Amino acid sequence: DAEITQSPRHKITETGRQVTLACHQTWNHNNMFWYRQDLGHGLRLIHYSYGVQDTNKGEVSDGYSVSRSNTEDLPLTLESAASSQTSVYFCASSESRVAGVSYNEQFFGPGTRLTVL
Amino acid sequence: GQQVMQIPQYQHVQEGEDFTTYCNSSTTLSNIQWYKQRPGGHPVFLIQLVKSGEVKKQKRLTFQFGEAKKNSSLHITATQTTDVGTYFCAGSAGNNRKLIWGLGTSLAVNP
Repeated sequence: DAEITQSPRHKITETGRQVTLACHQTWNHNNMFWYRQDLGHGLRLIHYSYGVQDTNKGEVSDGYSVSRSNTEDLPLTLESAASSQTSVYFCASSESRVAGVSYNEQFFGPGTRLTVL
Repeated sequence: GQQVMQIPQYQHVQEGEDFTTYCNSSTTLSNIQWYKQRPGGHPVFLIQLVKSGEVKKQKRLTFQFGEAKKNSSLHITATQTTDVGTYFCAGSAGNNRKLIWGLGTSLAVNP
């Protein structure tokens, strides 16, 4: 069955370290998204990609970067981790059209809980 | 920018009572989606509404999309403990593949 996976599921790191969170989907979806979820803030979009070699900044992109070298993967890198980046991170993917109808249901991975000390 | 407001933020009900959460967008939406996130889990798609005034039902859940395509609601009849979680609405405008998310309504059900 197609799925979307994230690794690691839990990560503790120190301030200033570079951290990469992996996201891998086997849906063959063009669209991939990274969100962070914090209490009281819902889901906030960090970066997104509409296809290979395409990346775009979301509403909270400072301190994060992504790259899309293939359809299946969109790794999220924290260049220099900060305590403010302690959060739960969700990766999601979607397909633009289904049976000719514009349709963008997002499928979410299980999440990565990141703690920056 | 575009915003989607969702109310209430929290709701406690007794099992068997009804529950409703509302979403209001600052702009006209091309579609609105609803997701459920169980405690400790990830958001899971429930439904998408596309047409003005559309109403869809899934067992005890009723979803509505307003005539102006700027608001939506989710109504649960006779809540059960399995309904516990956070319900999010998310909409997109035009052909935008990004979703604009509400902050969610957390539902607690007392048995």
